[in-house]
Amino acid sequence: DIQMTQSPSSLSASVGDRVTITCRASQSINSYLNWYQQKPGKAPKLLIFDASTLQSGVPSRFSGSGSGTDFTLTISSLQPEDFATYYCQQSYTTPTFGQGTKLEIK
Amino acid sequence: QVQLQQWGAGLLKPSETLSLTCAVYGGSFSDYSWSWIRQTPGKGLEWIGEVLHSGTTNYNPSLKSRVSISVDTSKNQFSLNLSSVTAADTAVYYCARRPIRYFDFRFEDWGQGTLVTVSS
Repeated sequence: DIQMTQSPSSLSASVGDRVTITCRASQSINSYLNWYQQKPGKAPKLLIFDASTLQSGVPSRFSGSGSGTDFTLTISSLQPEDFATYYCQQSYTTPTFGQGTKLEIK
Repeated sequence: QVQLQQWGAGLLKPSETLSLTCAVYGGSFSDYSWSWIRQTPGKGLEWIGEVLHSGTTNYNPSLKSRVSISVDTSKNQFSLNLSSVTAADTAVYYCARRPIRYFDFRFEDWGQGTLVTVSS
């Protein structure tokens, strides 16, 4: 299995802040990297696929970058509805997910 | 607008078989692959396997010996069976879909989740 490691595990930030979450794969996955947002009691929601392509309907303040083993998710200006847990997921082989990054209000 | 609605038994005893079903409302059934994914506090999100419209399946090797996923195209439904459950199978189980026209596994839509608890 390809292991996905996210950092940080948790993050405190304020509305309007710019935040970056990192995801590292245990081997190269080209650009087969997706990002999800999950709110308590809800299913994950696809935000970004292919490392940098925004899913339809997702606000443009979300962006993704990276290839190979290192990837980032950036939220350019945090909004109140963005406080949630974020997961990366590789789809190069049998899908595996990162452990999540919980984004909390400072 | 697609909707995935899932159901199944929420409380099982060790050694029993977990059975869940997901019904798909709206959208094309044949243009997607249909997956089961589970989530635990300890292991996080884990892909269990998928089934295509044709009935072709693909399973996570870590669970393959205990998993069976089937499809009923007449009802636009697919089902998960997981045999010989233990407490480690306690999780929230989700159904999800990904478009088959792409190589990668991008899970675009998800069911609401079902909490399954395994306890004696």
